[in-house]
This record gives sequence, structure tokens and C-alpha cells, in this order.
Amino acid sequence: SQTIHQWPATLVQPVGSPLSLECTVEGTSNPNLYWYRQAAGRGLQLLFYSVGIGQISSEVPQNLSASRPQDRQFILSSKKLLLSDSGFYLCAWNTATSGMETQYFGPGTRLLVL
Amino acid sequence: AQSVTQLGSHVSVSEGALVLLRCNYSSSVPPYLFWYVQYPNQGLQLLLKYTTGATLVKGINGFEAEFKKSETSFHLTKPSAHMSDAAEYFCAVGTINFGNEKLTFGTGTRLTIIP
Repeated sequence: SQTIHQWPATLVQPVGSPLSLECTVEGTSNPNLYWYRQAAGRGLQLLFYSVGIGQISSEVPQNLSASRPQDRQFILSSKKLLLSDSGFYLCAWNTATSGMETQYFGPGTRLLVL
Repeated sequence: AQSVTQLGSHVSVSEGALVLLRCNYSSSVPPYLFWYVQYPNQGLQLLLKYTTGATLVKGINGFEAEFKKSETSFHLTKPSAHMSDAAEYFCAVGTINFGNEKLTFGTGTRLTIIP
């Protein structure tokens, strides 16, 4: 069966520090991968999606970047965090065999920037 | 373009009462519609989805939703609320574009169950 991992689960970082959040998927190959952010009191905002290694599409301009160095690995980064980067970050995946219309979510990383 | 509106950011119902969470959508193409549930400090779990076919969709934990094209709605219901249903619920609309799916989520409805 397929599983999705995110780490760390919780992170507290000072303003201006770098960020690296990791997402990995097991049990499938060539997944589409997505990064969402859920800010307090708001819905989910799609940040990035990737249909393959090295292929990244950005949905909104922001202080963050994403990379996909391996087929089942998706990394969210920042060189200098802002207070507004605080939130709950969710990784999701799907494939043609899982039902392309459905996305499956990881457990999330809660980021607090102070 | 697509969008989702969830009416009511907070809904409270008594245990055993009917749960009704409202969702309206807009989409320029036939949509796929979803309800996800999020328990505290967890990711999102798929509750149910509508793609094609029967407009009344049954999901996990006794929830169901009905796709009403004329009303552009996809409201979530459960006949009898249970304490374990307390969570945040997200409605989402999706389209498939050359194998790249985008989901647009509503802002969520927090469901509280009153004992």
C-alpha cells in the first residue's frame, strides 16, 4: 500500500532562518506531488505541484521554493523565513492508478516562525 | 476557473442530531467534488468524492453528499452526529488537465458536537 511521510512534524524557526521540509511517498512510482499551506483560520492554498523529477510549477509568488530531486521526494525550502510563512504545510500525491482526480495527504508539518 | 464556498465556518450540533455542512462550487467544466475531514494536528483524509454517475455519494463514517448540478451544490450530511465527528471539514472542487489535477478548497467548516 502507498504511504506518505512528512518531516519534521513540528518546527519552530526564527525569522530570517532557512527552511527545508521533506515529503516522501512509498509504494508508488511517478506520482504527482503537491505542497499546500493551511494558514490559521484559512483554507488550503496550493503552493507547488510536480509531475516529475525536476518539474516544478508554482501557483503563487512567495518566499518559498520547491524541488523534486527524486521520483518520490518533494522538498519545500526557503532561504529566509518570514513571519507570514507560519502555517500547516501539507504534502499530497496522486497517480493514474490511484485515481487521478483524488489527492491523498500526508500528516503535515506545523511551522511557527518567530 | 473554479471556486468553492463553504457556508458557515463553525457549525455546532447535538449528539444524535442531523449534520448538514454546506458547499457550493463554481466550475467552467464538469467538476469533480470532494469532502475531506481533518482531525486536530493531522493531515486531510478523504471522506467521499463525486466524479461521474450516481449523484448521491456515500462515504466513510456514515457521511453522504449529493451533487446537485442545478444548484451547484455538494452538501455533506449525516443522519446522526457522533462525538467522534468533531473535526474540520473541507469541500473541494477539482479538474483534470492533461494528468495534472488541481484541487480548489473551501475555507473549511469546523464541526462541534454538543454532548
